Amino acid sequence: EPEVTQTPSHQVTQMGQEVILRCVPISNHLYFYWYRQILGQKVEFLVSFYNNEISEKSEIFDDQFSVERPDGSNFTLKIRSTKLEDSAMYFCASSNRGLWEQYFGPGTRLTVT
Amino acid sequence: KNEVEQSPQNLTAQEGEFITINCSYSVGISALHWLQQHPGGGIVSLFMLSSGKKKHGRLIATINIQEKHSSLHITASHPRDSAVYICAAPHYGGSQGNLIFGKGTKLSVKP
Repeated sequence: EPEVTQTPSHQVTQMGQEVILRCVPISNHLYFYWYRQILGQKVEFLVSFYNNEISEKSEIFDDQFSVERPDGSNFTLKIRSTKLEDSAMYFCASSNRGLWEQYFGPGTRLTVT
Repeated sequence: KNEVEQSPQNLTAQEGEFITINCSYSVGISALHWLQQHPGGGIVSLFMLSSGKKKHGRLIATINIQEKHSSLHITASHPRDSAVYICAAPHYGGSQGNLIFGKGTKLSVKP
């Protein structure tokens, strides 16, 4: 069964460093999403991406964040200058039908020290 | 903007018990998601439903669109069902946009 994959599974970085979280969505999917979950809190939407552009973003997704689909398979989330409060689990999801039937990746746990 | 509320927040059950987790939302929606989050953190989509009832193995999800309420039932619960169960609804109700998540229900099934 096709699945969404994410790398790395755990990333530790120092405050102020740039990180890139990588996702490989399911191959025929057209809609891509990033969510995050701070430890002990609920999952929050960050950004959605369709047709090579951002279709929606939340208040969390400020200028420090960017997304890219550099080739036909990867979908990346970049945080330019990490802060302690960026420590969270980041989930990628993809879909062929918008909010219908989203498939989630296993997550990347980001720890900012 | 949709508000998603789940209850209970925590649930402890004995193996074999019938489990019910509730979810209510404030804005009429096109569909609602039930997700399972394992202790390791990964999220698995269990159901996406827009009306009536869906069943997958021992899991049953129901939704009442008029009452803006959904339930997730687990029959003959097992320790491996221990996880956090999360419901999520479209932010604006439709099929576009993004999902709003509930806080989750942490289920612990004791042998």
